[in-house]
Parts: sequence; structure tokens; C-alpha cells
Amino acid sequence: GENVEQHPSTLSVQEGDSAVIKCTYSDSASNYFPWYKQELGKGPQLIIDIRSNVGEKKDQRIAVTLNKTAKHFSLHITETQPEDSAVYFCAAHLSGSARQLTFGSGTQLTVLP
Amino acid sequence: SQTIHQWPATLVQPVGSPLSLECTVEGTSNPNLYWYRQAAGRGLQLLFYSVGIGQISSEVPQNLSASRPQDRQFILSSKKLLLSDSGFYLCAWSLRADTQYFGPGTRLTVL
Repeated sequence: GENVEQHPSTLSVQEGDSAVIKCTYSDSASNYFPWYKQELGKGPQLIIDIRSNVGEKKDQRIAVTLNKTAKHFSLHITETQPEDSAVYFCAAHLSGSARQLTFGSGTQLTVLP
Repeated sequence: SQTIHQWPATLVQPVGSPLSLECTVEGTSNPNLYWYRQAAGRGLQLLFYSVGIGQISSEVPQNLSASRPQDRQFILSSKKLLLSDSGFYLCAWSLRADTQYFGPGTRLTVL
């Protein structure tokens, strides 16, 4: 099955700095990679996703890059704000699987004012 | 637009009592439905998923069960709760089996 590793587990940045969270996956057949943001006491919310036919995708201050050869993908948040503080999860979907997404273990991002 | 509901939002139950958590989705048909559990400060553990009415796949052996009596309704149950069942329970739906959208969650505390 698929295995997703996520680093770092915790990340603190100063407001206005950039934050980068990295994930690696094991199955080269995975073809869809979403990122979720989970605020305290709430369900995870999809913030950006990328499919395997694309190398990079950007949405305002958030971007995701995918390196299929190395089997890793990263979330980039620029000009961080205190409201970006949350737990971020990456995930990978195995092509043809109706079962599920395989999630990383999460990164607690803290943006310091 | 699609909306997912979970209730109750919070629940405190004694050990050995039964459990029923409900999830409903609006605005879509024949979604895949999922139940996850999240322990405090931990990741997401898939418990059950369903690709249609009456079709349930279990990922983790435990004292929980799931049912899907209607197309957009997913229920998580237990006959006798354990202390280890405490956690944050999340329901999610998807149409293409890749993008999943999560509900607000149910915080369960077993005492």
C-alpha cells in the first residue's frame, strides 16, 4: 500500500516569512495530492491540490510543487499570517483506489506575530 | 453546493454504553463516504468507507461498526464503548474517490 511521510512535525515562523512543508510518498502509481488545513476543534479543510500531470500549482499565497521522479511534494505558504497557524496534512491517492487517501502525520504550523 | 453535517458535535458517554454518530451529505448523489478517527494531537485514522448503500468496508478491527441506510447517510455505532474510543470522529465524502471533503466532526469523550 501507499505510505506518506510528512516533515517537519512542528514549524514556527515569524509573521511575513515563508513556510515549507514536505511530504514523500512510496507508490509511484499515486496520482493526486491534496493538502488540508485543520484548525483547532474543526474538520480538515482542503486548501490546495495537485494532480500528477502538473508540476506546480499556485493559489494566492499558497503553492504546491510535485516531483514525481523523487516522489515528493511540498506546500509553500508565503507572507504568513497568524491565521495560517493550524495543523496541515498532506495526502496521496492511489490511482484506481476507491478506498481512501493516505495521509501524512501532520505539521503544526505556528506563525508568531 | 454540497454540505456535510455531523451530529452530535460533542458527546460524553460512560464506558460500556452504546454509541451512534450520524453523518449526512446534501447536494450530491451516490457519494463515497468515510469515517475517520483522530486521537488528540494525532493524525487521521480511516475506520470505514462506503461506495454505496449497504456497502461498508472496514479498515481497522475494533468494537465499532458502520452502516449506510440511505444514499447520503452514514452512521457509526458501537454496542459498548471503551475508554480507547475517545477521540474526534470525522465524516468525509467524495465523488471521484480522490478529493475528500470533511464534516465538522464529533468530539467523543468516554469516561
